Amino acid sequence: GQQLNQSPQSMFIQEGEDVSMNCTSSSIFNTWLWYKQDPGEGPVLLIALYKAGELTSNGRLTAQFGITRKDSFLNISASIPSDVGIYFCAGQGGENNDMRFGAGTRLTVKP
Amino acid sequence: DSGVTQTPKHLITATGQRVTLRCSPRSGDLSVYWYQQSLDQGLQFLIQYYNGEERAKGNILERFSAQQFPDLHSELNLSSLELGDSALYFCASSVEGFSSTDTQYFGPGTRLTVL
Repeated sequence: GQQLNQSPQSMFIQEGEDVSMNCTSSSIFNTWLWYKQDPGEGPVLLIALYKAGELTSNGRLTAQFGITRKDSFLNISASIPSDVGIYFCAGQGGENNDMRFGAGTRLTVKP
Repeated sequence: DSGVTQTPKHLITATGQRVTLRCSPRSGDLSVYWYQQSLDQGLQFLIQYYNGEERAKGNILERFSAQQFPDLHSELNLSSLELGDSALYFCASSVEGFSSTDTQYFGPGTRLTVL
């Protein structure tokens, strides 16, 4: 099935910098989710968004559910080395009543 | 630790063989989902079960099947294995399902290598 369009594919940043990544879809979703995956591990849920326009924070992470229900972004402020990993967006429910993932954003943080 | 367990952690087998992957959901979760993650395809939803019944189907091949048992654990059966089936297979669980606002928690995955 059609996956979500996630960008950028990868980012190389300096410790302390802010990071922004986003996801877009041609379909409407009821829920947007952001996961982080470390090598050899399963994805770990970071933030869940349930309402269009919702802006939610979890520590240094902030995510928003787009008004059109077809997009979402994730911001990480003041990055630290342990932020390294692959970040996935996911859209759940909606028109297809399933779950679709973005291809992931690989984040590298240089100390 | 998400509370979702998967066994085995690694599996190496040959083309044409059949394997079974096992998943135990978090306590209290009724839905189990299976996903395939390969390098070229990313994370792909395969199938969902809710309280023992199939609820949603994604990109699951006919050679693959799954079931959820009365104790809510689930098994994913992969048969007539091909080289391209080599991937990480994740199980996730949630209280309800896609149509609700609850969220999924992923297990550590089973890495399948087909030689």
